[in-house]
Amino acid sequence: DQQVKQNSPSLSVQEGRISILNCDYTNSMFDYFLWYKKYPAEGPTFLISISSIKDKNEDGRFTVFLNKSAKHLSLHIVPSQPGDSAVYFCAASKGQGGKLIFGQGTELSVKP
Amino acid sequence: DAGVTQSPTHLIKTRGQQVTLRCSPKSGHDTVSWYQQALGQGPQFIFQYYEEEERQRGNFPDRFSGHQFPNYSSELNVNALWLGDSALYLCASSLAVRETQYFGPGTRLLVL
Repeated sequence: DQQVKQNSPSLSVQEGRISILNCDYTNSMFDYFLWYKKYPAEGPTFLISISSIKDKNEDGRFTVFLNKSAKHLSLHIVPSQPGDSAVYFCAASKGQGGKLIFGQGTELSVKP
Repeated sequence: DAGVTQSPTHLIKTRGQQVTLRCSPKSGHDTVSWYQQALGQGPQFIFQYYEEEERQRGNFPDRFSGHQFPNYSSELNVNALWLGDSALYLCASSLAVRETQYFGPGTRLLVL
């Protein structure tokens, strides 16, 4: 049972445009959500997180939106840069620091 | 400030053998979690150690065991290796069990 799903395995965006990566979850007990970026041959790098008491969190070019009623979160990257090309994973947990449940990942390609 | 380190980077074993993977957490962190990432999948939680005890465990058989030392470093042991154990093994550390997890570069294990 996949509790966290990223239904788009890949996404291609032009440099300077917005990238929107989506993630759905099924377990209503999840209350903390994170996005990680992963380059080949490296471990996941933490990008941004959001608690279920918020519906938006911003950090520079990255914004995460949480829609609890739809059990959906999204990551917006504006403007997209070629260095953003990587695999992006969303993850969820019950409380901060608990075990993370990951989606399958979305490979983002930002073209110059 | 050193991040999470893991050793070795790569490892080749044969079926039935045993393997030990090592992790040093980020400076100041006291909690270590281990994940298995198969090709094309998101990381899957194996277990988490805090105060030298296993705090949480994912859906992995008893062949997977771990240990945390007083200096917060950790080991993951896998006995009776199967071909299906071939994966990237990731270690993540956090400060107490209430903070964001930061990942190391991983150990790539190949079982022949």
